[in-house]
Amino acid sequence: NAGVTQTPKFQVLKTGQSMTLQCAQDMNHEYMSWYRQDPGMGLRLIHYSVGAGITDQGEVPNGYNVSRSTTEDFPLRLLSAAPSQTSVYFCASSEHPIRETQYFGPGTRLLVL
Amino acid sequence: KNQVEQSPQSLIILEGKNCTLQCNYTVSPFSNLRWYKQDTGRGPVSLTIMTFSENTKSNGRYTATLDADTKQSSLHITASQLSDSASYICVVSFRAFYSSASKIIFGSGTRLSIRP
Repeated sequence: NAGVTQTPKFQVLKTGQSMTLQCAQDMNHEYMSWYRQDPGMGLRLIHYSVGAGITDQGEVPNGYNVSRSTTEDFPLRLLSAAPSQTSVYFCASSEHPIRETQYFGPGTRLLVL
Repeated sequence: KNQVEQSPQSLIILEGKNCTLQCNYTVSPFSNLRWYKQDTGRGPVSLTIMTFSENTKSNGRYTATLDADTKQSSLHITASQLSDSASYICVVSFRAFYSSASKIIFGSGTRLSIRP
């Protein structure tokens, strides 16, 4: 049982490049979400999904896209990277977004030059 | 405005000592409050979760308290160990189900360093 896995662990991009951050979970959780963590700030919700085929925007969705074709996978796409997207990105999953504990992946550290 | 504020921002204590971290929130309506531990370079890991009706919850040497009337929570760490060095994050959830607006608010965390 690997829990929540994320790849890559670290990535450097140039402004304007696109990329996909991968997230997978093997706990059969319906709820998955993406957060970004910036120094001195709490985690902020980017996008979330309540099940396969269903996604919605969080607090800071601009510049990011998501899809959920399977229960296990929830990739995050950066369409055209900007320096403001330099951050640490965490994927999380849970049986319920409010009542149950969220399980976080190890994070992806992204640097946009 | 719904907010979660933690104090202190950082704390250094000697190994073996106790410490208490604070969390104040203005979220309403309140659903539950969680404390997470985040080691450097890792994702947060849940320590405790408390609903409105609970005022204390323990997990080993970690004890969380909740006063829903004053909207305050604390995390007490007993007999600290070097492995307790981490950031501790307070997370408050709204009662409402998910909507387009975030219904979970994360505090910015307290950075705890344990010195030998």
